[in-house]
Amino acid sequence: SQKIEQNSEALNIQEGKTATLTCNYTNYSPAYLQWYRQDPGRGPVFLLLIRENEKEKRKERLKVTFDTTLKQSLFHITASQPADSATYLCALGGASGSARQLTFGSGTQLTVLP
Amino acid sequence: GAVVSQHPSWVICKSGTSVKIECRSLDFQATTMFWYRQFPKQSLMLMATSNEGSKATYEQGVEKDKFLINHASLTLSTLTVTSAHPEDSSFYICSASGERAAYEQYFGPGTRLTVT
Repeated sequence: SQKIEQNSEALNIQEGKTATLTCNYTNYSPAYLQWYRQDPGRGPVFLLLIRENEKEKRKERLKVTFDTTLKQSLFHITASQPADSATYLCALGGASGSARQLTFGSGTQLTVLP
Repeated sequence: GAVVSQHPSWVICKSGTSVKIECRSLDFQATTMFWYRQFPKQSLMLMATSNEGSKATYEQGVEKDKFLINHASLTLSTLTVTSAHPEDSSFYICSASGERAAYEQYFGPGTRLTVT
């Protein structure tokens, strides 16, 4: 069956450390993968997109890797801050239906402790 | 740029009534809009995809007669929950994508629906 798994439901780290979130999938062949941030009671906010032929993408303190052999994406936040505390969602793009459709994982709730 | 609004942000209605939720792209033309539902501590589940001027495509298990979607213009899509029941209570979120960055979806702030 098809599954998208994001490491733990909750992850606590100390301010200044690097947070690493994992997204694993089975029985999907996404054309691209996206990461979103969602705060409580709000809609997701787009962070990064990485395509199947790309290994790594960076944006400021964020870095995403995509390994289609392992069927895994890693999302890193360096020099983490309490303001980074939120739920982070990975989403597979073009894995089912149209090329624009996204299939979401259940998210990892990150708490950065001061 | 790429701002999407939703209205209302929350609504309480009685069982058996209908509720309309609006989704607007404020600063870009949204050729495709998506409607999602999210239950507490769960992920977003895609309900339907709509392209401007054509009928929405519903995901398996979503009743199209219950969740009416209209995408009449490039900046507005509406979701009407007809004959609402308590089990329809959820967080409804729309997203929009345009031609410029076709694979990026911009999400609205969501609408909390409570059916009593």
